[in-house]
Amino acid sequence: ILNVEQSPQSLHVQEGDSTNFTCSFPSSNFYALHWYRWETAKSPEALFVMTLNGDEKKKGRISATLNTKEGYSYLYIKGSQPEDSATYLCAFQVDSSYKLIFGSGTRLLVRP
Amino acid sequence: GAVVSQHPSWVICKSGTSVKIECRSLDFQATTMFWYRQFPKQSLMLMATSNEGSKATYEQGVEKDKFLINHASLTLSTLTVTSAHPEDSSFYICSARQRPDEQFFGPGTRLTVL
Repeated sequence: ILNVEQSPQSLHVQEGDSTNFTCSFPSSNFYALHWYRWETAKSPEALFVMTLNGDEKKKGRISATLNTKEGYSYLYIKGSQPEDSATYLCAFQVDSSYKLIFGSGTRLLVRP
Repeated sequence: GAVVSQHPSWVICKSGTSVKIECRSLDFQATTMFWYRQFPKQSLMLMATSNEGSKATYEQGVEKDKFLINHASLTLSTLTVTSAHPEDSSFYICSARQRPDEQFFGPGTRLTVL
């Protein structure tokens, strides 16, 4: 059974703090790794799709790195803002069939 | 960006009744849609893959006769929970594949079976 782990489960930070989360996934049979941002009562929003070992992607204050050999990805948020409060999900894509195996998410709360 | 809607956003039903949930891609055509469910404090779990014009492919442990999936057009997939029981109470969410590497999610449907 393929397992995707995310840590921490939840995180409370002060506005302006930088933070990061971890996603661990199987290092064999890697196809792609997805990050989503999910605000309450909204649809999960795609942040990044990462496919190559060593990939680094950035969107504004959010960036992500990928290490497929050791099976982990980091998501970084620089200078957190209250609007960054959400659950951040990572999902491991096994093959081209596009099936995703999700982690349980990291819930971020940014205090003003 | 691509938008996926779900209807209803929440539903409460009596045990033994059937419930239909719709998933629509509003501004793109989706040959493949996915259905997930999430129990409290657990991950999103893939239930089935729905391809337009063909039978859905179910994940291990998901009863195809209980969770009927129909993908009759490129913009609509439906999930019917037949003879629902309290243990089917969950959060059901769909997604639609637009480009090879992107999947767009609906906002989900909260099902409560009394």
